[in-house]
Amino acid sequence: GAVVSQHPSWVICKSGTSVKIECRSLDFQATTMFWYRQFPKQSLMLMATSNEGSKATYEQGVEKDKFLINHASLTLSTLTVTSAHPEDSSFYICSAEEGQGYRNEQFFGPGTRLTVL
Amino acid sequence: AQKITQTQPGMFVQEKEAVTLDCTYDTSDPSYGLFWYKQPSSGEMIFLIYQGSYDQQNATEGRYSLNFQKARKSANLVISASQLGDSAMYFCAMKGLNTGTASKLTFGTGTRLQVTL
Repeated sequence: GAVVSQHPSWVICKSGTSVKIECRSLDFQATTMFWYRQFPKQSLMLMATSNEGSKATYEQGVEKDKFLINHASLTLSTLTVTSAHPEDSSFYICSAEEGQGYRNEQFFGPGTRLTVL
Repeated sequence: AQKITQTQPGMFVQEKEAVTLDCTYDTSDPSYGLFWYKQPSSGEMIFLIYQGSYDQQNATEGRYSLNFQKARKSANLVISASQLGDSAMYFCAMKGLNTGTASKLTFGTGTRLQVTL
């Protein structure tokens, strides 16, 4: 299957700082990338959907000014957690899709574990 | 709106035995896709199997098979000959008909499977 990478795999930061997470599709062009958040022992919650060259579409309840998403190319999307606080500590996972459709598989990155002190 | 229900928060199975993980869904889309993912403790999401709503036969992938009963709106995952490495969290997910925008995955709450000796 296609490969999606995420960097960093884990990050620890101080409260008030910003953290950028990168998501790359390594061997395909991702029409769409998705960002999820997962708290311990819970399911994945979709935060936003991004298409290359356009603004991300955020899910209800997700602060777009806090979670900045940039999808500058067909292989790279970034999530920046601005002014991070301890409650932002979570596991962030991206996924990428080539083309669109209900048959299309989403390929997931390995995730980034964020800890805000 | 789409909804996925996984009623088994945890399951135990003995090594080499088969196990069924339940998944029911609700959607108004005429066409949809059903996915199963495995998430080990490392956090990565591993795609297991896919079933399209109009597929005539139940999907199979090695030791994984999907018991798809469309009238009952169920898509149970069957793992045969369980192995210790199958111990993980399992998520059922679905996406609906492509409407020209990115088709989002809706996840269930997951089932934690523990394979014992």
